Amino acid sequence: KNQVEQSPQSLIILEGKNCTLQCNYTVSPFSNLRWYKQDTGRGPVSLTIMTFSENTKSNGRYTATLDADTKQSSLHITASQLSDSASYICVVTPGTGGFKTIFGAGTRLFVKA
Amino acid sequence: GAVVSQHPSRVICKSGTSVKIECRSLDFQATTMFWYRQFPKQSLMLMATSNEGSKATYEQGVEKDKFLINHASLTLSTLTVTSAHPEDSSFYICSAPGTGEAFFGQGTRLTVV
Repeated sequence: KNQVEQSPQSLIILEGKNCTLQCNYTVSPFSNLRWYKQDTGRGPVSLTIMTFSENTKSNGRYTATLDADTKQSSLHITASQLSDSASYICVVTPGTGGFKTIFGAGTRLFVKA
Repeated sequence: GAVVSQHPSRVICKSGTSVKIECRSLDFQATTMFWYRQFPKQSLMLMATSNEGSKATYEQGVEKDKFLINHASLTLSTLTVTSAHPEDSSFYICSAPGTGEAFFGQGTRLTVV
């Protein structure tokens, strides 16, 4: 069964600190993996997208890594800001085509001053 | 980048009434759109796939007669929650596939009282 699991479920960090969020998936075949940021009550916004051949992708203070062999991805946030408080969702698209994506449950990040 | 506009952002309705949610792709055409539902602290759950010019495809457990989907044009899909009940209160989000990824609407917070 295709699944996407994220950890931790929630995380509290101090402003300015770094953090890393994890995503493990069992989706096969695999097309691409995306990280989204979802503010409360808003739609998800794309942060990074990686195909199976890519190992890392950066977007400002966000850096995503992908290990297609172990089926693991991480999202590293550098020098966190209060506005980083949100849910971060790992989304995997199967290689069967289309955009019928599989969502992880998300990690809720709280950045405190 | 591509934009998907969803309207309304919030709606409160009485039990038994119907509510229509619109999803528009503003600067690109979308022959397919996806409708998701998200309960508090849970991940997005795919409800149905909207296809321009043909019937929508519903996920298992989603009542097609209750959640009416119409994809009237290449830029507009609508979701109508018919005879709404309090348990239908949720966050509804649409998405449309663009080049290489999916773009999400802002979401609609539905509260049925």
